[in-house]
Amino acid sequence: IAGITQAPTSQILAAGRRMTLRCTQDMRHNAMYWYRQDLGLGLRLIHYSNTAGTTGKGEVPDGYSVSRANTDDFPLTLASAVPSQTSVYFCASTASPGTGELFFGEGSRLTVL
Amino acid sequence: QKEVEQNSGPLSVPEGAIASLNCTYSDRGSQSFFWYRQYSGKSPELIMFIYSNGDKEDGRFTAQLNKASQYVSLLIRDSQPSDSATYLCAVNGLDSGYALNFGKGTSLLVTP
Repeated sequence: IAGITQAPTSQILAAGRRMTLRCTQDMRHNAMYWYRQDLGLGLRLIHYSNTAGTTGKGEVPDGYSVSRANTDDFPLTLASAVPSQTSVYFCASTASPGTGELFFGEGSRLTVL
Repeated sequence: QKEVEQNSGPLSVPEGAIASLNCTYSDRGSQSFFWYRQYSGKSPELIMFIYSNGDKEDGRFTAQLNKASQYVSLLIRDSQPSDSATYLCAVNGLDSGYALNFGKGTSLLVTP
């Protein structure tokens, strides 16, 4: 089934540890995004990539980094996790940035203790 | 950061009634508007999109856009208990790679 796969689905992590959330899509979409969703704050954009080889910062990029080596993969790395990064992380992609449907992965629930 | 505002709710309507969900946005340059539905513990899924002023209907759903008032709404006719979810309004941004800016969502509860 075509779509977006995120891993892990859930993770508990000690503060200070490094963590990479994986995201793979098989729809050949050029644009990919990472959002975090927190109760009362909605979905907030962390980083985006409009094409392989390019990335940009969203609303809440601090403490996160991304890479886009190819069209399909868009990993999100927390270099040194802090408790405020406890959240549900959604990876998304679209064929047409700004105008096309945004497809979401199932989410990764991260708890930083 | 451009603002997308929604009432958080919960909005409670009886089964069979019309549910009206509202959203305002701050960026006059926005051109694309979306409504996503999110069930608890699940990822958002697209319900409707609208680009032009006026109404757009799809089954029981109608999206309404008024760019002059910077207002977009979603009407759900003949509401069903299965419509109980959080509804997210999203507007395309003019920065951040045209990524969608989301409102915080309105929780809808349809009671039998």
